[in-house]
Amino acid sequence: SQELEQSPQSLIVQEGKNLTINCTSSKTLYGLYWYKQKYGEGLIFLMMLQKGGEEKSHEKITAKLDEKKQQSSLHITASQPSHAGIYLCGAPSSNFGNEKLTFGTGTRLTIIP
Amino acid sequence: ETGVTQSPTHLIKTRGQQVTLRCSSQSGHNTVSWYQQALGQGPQFIFQYYREEENGRGNFPPRFSGLQFPNYSSELNVNALELDDSALYLCASSRMRNTEAFFGQGTRLTVV
Repeated sequence: SQELEQSPQSLIVQEGKNLTINCTSSKTLYGLYWYKQKYGEGLIFLMMLQKGGEEKSHEKITAKLDEKKQQSSLHITASQPSHAGIYLCGAPSSNFGNEKLTFGTGTRLTIIP
Repeated sequence: ETGVTQSPTHLIKTRGQQVTLRCSSQSGHNTVSWYQQALGQGPQFIFQYYREEENGRGNFPPRFSGLQFPNYSSELNVNALELDDSALYLCASSRMRNTEAFFGQGTRLTVV
């Protein structure tokens, strides 16, 4: 079965600094979803990357998919307190899309003033 | 806000009881997936429903069952509750095939 490993597990960053979170798959990536979760709440959709070395940006968040390395990275520029939370990557089990997502265990991001 | 709503938000049940959780999918979406998230873990896939039919199941016992209705809303039923069933239960709605999946706010189930 597929496993997703996220690194780091937790991150404490000073406000205004840049940061990167990585997600590495044990198997071929057919795409990659990034979500943000506030403690005990639902998942907020950030970005969906489809196969093919895709890169997407939204506001100060950029995500890339490197299919050769079976890896995705999420980069936040000039971090703000609103970026704090748990970031989860999820990967579909096939190239048919989102019928079953396997998730990593998450990266907990804390922003300090 | 995604338009995916779950009810109830919190629930306390006794071991051995049965529970039903509900999910209303986002307008235009015909697929609902259910996930279980234990504390400190990522969500684990339970099953998915597409146009009222089960379309894939994760490694969960048969006492976890579900339904999808003609309006694409869905229910998750868990029989014979065990203490380990205590978790956040999440539903996600989407259109099929390579589209975004949007999650609800979750139902926190505590089994005592």
